[in-house]
Amino acid sequence: TQTVSQSDAHVTVFEGDSVELRCNYSYGGSIYLSWYIQHHGHGLQFLLKYYSGNPVVQGVNGFEAEFSKSDSSFHLRKASVHWSDSAVYFCAVSARNYNQGKLIFGQGTKLSIKP
Amino acid sequence: NSKVIQTPRYLVKGQGQKAKMRCIPEKGHPVVFWYQQNKNNEFKFLINFQNQEVLQQIDMTEKRFSAECPSNSPCSLEIQSSEAGDSALYLCASSLWDWGGQDTQYFGPGTRLLVL
Repeated sequence: TQTVSQSDAHVTVFEGDSVELRCNYSYGGSIYLSWYIQHHGHGLQFLLKYYSGNPVVQGVNGFEAEFSKSDSSFHLRKASVHWSDSAVYFCAVSARNYNQGKLIFGQGTKLSIKP
Repeated sequence: NSKVIQTPRYLVKGQGQKAKMRCIPEKGHPVVFWYQQNKNNEFKFLINFQNQEVLQQIDMTEKRFSAECPSNSPCSLEIQSSEAGDSALYLCASSLWDWGGQDTQYFGPGTRLLVL
């Protein structure tokens, strides 16, 4: 069984600060890991994805994430946040080669940006 | 930005009524997924299609949920007899096909269903 855990329900930082949103997964096989952002009242917007190669993945709007097999983690980072980054962030995992690509989501982390 | 189109954006139904929502996937994407997101941000995978064929679906208890992706028409998800617990955001996503699940799913804005 695949599980995804986002330990922080809510993170608050000041505009211009750096931020790290944590994601840990539990799965024994090969997986793909993604991050999505959901602004209030909207659908999910794709940020980035890891499936092989360089463990540091660059995404849109200055986001990056680092895959760690040893820690079973895929944390999302941004060096300098903007007020428009206020949203809920979801980490998701999909298993390679079976389950027809369905995503398993974490609980989400709400990022609030103070001016 | 995603080009998945979902209609309607909002849907209000009484208990026992039918609720139908539609999804037009991104052009060239043969795979369509439906997910339910509840108010606690819990996601439930419902069903996915490759072209018109069902790939996988959950055990839609009581058969109240049905879905299809007909050729040359929008995909649809219908709840035959809505219940209060069905109130949620229904998200449609589409992707290119890759047996390994490599291809990214792009989501529409969702249909928010409220069952009174």
